[in-house]
Amino acid sequence: TQLLEQSPQFLSIQEGENLTVYCNSSSVFSSLQWYRQEPGEGPVLLVTVVTGGEVKKLKRLTFQFGDARKDSSLHITAAQPGDTGLYLCAGNTGGGNKLTFGTGTQLKVEL
Amino acid sequence: NAGVTQTPKFQVLKTGQSMTLQCAQDMNHEYMSWYRQDPGMGLRLIHYSVGAGITDQGEVPNGYNVSRSTTEDFPLRLLSAAPSQTSVYFCASSYVPGTGGEQYFGPGTRLTVT
Repeated sequence: TQLLEQSPQFLSIQEGENLTVYCNSSSVFSSLQWYRQEPGEGPVLLVTVVTGGEVKKLKRLTFQFGDARKDSSLHITAAQPGDTGLYLCAGNTGGGNKLTFGTGTQLKVEL
Repeated sequence: NAGVTQTPKFQVLKTGQSMTLQCAQDMNHEYMSWYRQDPGMGLRLIHYSVGAGITDQGEVPNGYNVSRSTTEDFPLRLLSAAPSQTSVYFCASSYVPGTGGEQYFGPGTRLTVT
């Protein structure tokens, strides 16, 4: 079973601060997704990265896929309370739609 | 479109009881899957299906059964509930072949087994 470790597990910051969440594995993934989940709801896809070294931006969120396609990071600039939620990375080893999910990072942004 | 719907939203079972968690999608997705979510463990794949009539086991299939008679529906059956099955269950769907495997999730079913 592939393992995707996320760090940190919990993060509590003030509005306006920057933060980075990491997703690491010893396995190579053909693609990697980041999801955000709010309480009482299912995860919602934020982005998919496919190419090693790829960087994608979604407003204040920057996603990067490692050169070896084994790791990824999510950087949030000037965090807002609306960014609060559980962030999950998920890797696809190819050959179908089976995903391996990371352990999750619970982010809380306070005023 | 309603997307992915799940019923019930909440359920309490006694040990040994059986039940079916319902999942339906109206996006004509071929691929559907069931996950369970436990604190600190992310989402773990229980069973999945790549199309009507085809199912396969995921990472944690024991104690669960699935069938896929139509493209739209993918019910998950708990055969004899155990306290270890207390969890939040999510159904998801996506296109096949997946564009990287992006999945659309339902709102979840919170199950407690006493």
